[in-house]
Amino acid sequence: DGGITQSPKYLFRKEGQNVTLSCEQNLNHDAMYWYRQDPGQGLRLIYYSQIVNDFQKGDIAEGYSVSREKKESFPLTVTSAQKNPTAFYLCASSDDREGEQYFGPGTRLTVT
Amino acid sequence: EDQVTQSPEALRLQEGESSSLNCSYTVSGLRGLFWYRQDPGKGPEFLFTLYSAGEEKEKERLKATLTKKESFLHITAPKPEDSATYLCAVARPETSGSRLTFGEGTQLTVNP
Repeated sequence: DGGITQSPKYLFRKEGQNVTLSCEQNLNHDAMYWYRQDPGQGLRLIYYSQIVNDFQKGDIAEGYSVSREKKESFPLTVTSAQKNPTAFYLCASSDDREGEQYFGPGTRLTVT
Repeated sequence: EDQVTQSPEALRLQEGESSSLNCSYTVSGLRGLFWYRQDPGKGPEFLFTLYSAGEEKEKERLKATLTKKESFLHITAPKPEDSATYLCAVARPETSGSRLTFGEGTQLTVNP
């Protein structure tokens, strides 16, 4: 079955700690994306990557970092510099820059 | 600035009571409008892509239409399993990279 996996489903961290969220896809898609979703709000783009070893900042990149060393993987690190990290994080992929994006199941991060 | 506004924020229907959800957008050079369904605690599920005014797409009880300023998601004879949040998103012009701007969603509840 092709798809996007995110792990873990729930993640708890103490304030001041960096945390890395995993995203893997076996759809052979070139482009991958990270979004953040807060209650009652739409999805906001954090980072995206259109090709291996290249990525661009989205609308809310401050306090986050990414890497794209393999086509299948696009991990997101939430650093201690992110002021309000508690949120639902969604990873997506698409086979071209204009095509529909397919989403993973999400990771709910709680920082206390 | 690109904007996507969805209305209503929430909609309650009785089973079998047809209705429509609205997605108004302002973007120069629309490259695509996307509809997604999102169940609580899960990632969005892709429904439709519309590219040009006048285009229509159907899937079971759902039908999406597009004009130059808005899109409608028509739900015919809904069932309780259609209850979800419906998101729309627009693809920005090519010069902005492969980004989607999402609306805040319409939370649909269908009562038996």
